Amino acid sequence: GAGVSQTPSNKVTEKGKYVELRCDPISGHTALYWYRQSLGQGPEFLIYFQGTGAADDSGLPNDRFFAVRPEGSVSTLKIQRTERGDSAVYLCASSLNPPPGDTQYFGPGTRLTVL
Amino acid sequence: AQSVTQPDIHITVSEGASLELRCNYSYGATPYLFWYVQSPGQGLQLLLKYFSGDTLVQGIKGFEAEFKRSQSSFNLRKPSVHWSDAAEYFCAVGPYNNNDMRFGAGTRLTVKP
Repeated sequence: GAGVSQTPSNKVTEKGKYVELRCDPISGHTALYWYRQSLGQGPEFLIYFQGTGAADDSGLPNDRFFAVRPEGSVSTLKIQRTERGDSAVYLCASSLNPPPGDTQYFGPGTRLTVL
Repeated sequence: AQSVTQPDIHITVSEGASLELRCNYSYGATPYLFWYVQSPGQGLQLLLKYFSGDTLVQGIKGFEAEFKRSQSSFNLRKPSVHWSDAAEYFCAVGPYNNNDMRFGAGTRLTVKP
């Protein structure tokens, strides 16, 4: 079956611009996660959705970052007033059941470059 | 503080040789432990996971890992490495705080012919 998909695969933007990154989880998965992976580092947790609600957004670095999942399926990560330090690969994952411990399936990521 | 450490940034092994990738964790309770592999341009793929029970866990692609509570370790092993195993390997603990996983910085594996 289809895995987690993310669009676009690459996004280049200028400092100060607004970007949206999209994640399509595996059908039927209730939990959805966003991570950020900087060069040479492991993924870093940003936010977790259970259904439509953001159950844990403690990993969002500041209020320029926001994510939604209005119908409990597709999610969009939104970054306002982008900064060069936001450049990274943004990963989305989904799991069938809520945590703890359920296997997370990852998408290929969106590489964001802020010039 | 809870954390995951992968002491080796880069490892090179010859094809057919055995492999061990190290992972140490710091966690207040019995952890959930994972190993993921990431190939260039690919998403993270789960190799294996440990929740409870038998401390020797078998995974996909011939990998196994052993949970050692006394050493706070969860090392990944493979008896004979194939060229296609060249990739980045990540150890993870979690969910941490019930929701998020904490990843190590990764170990890059190079396989020599």
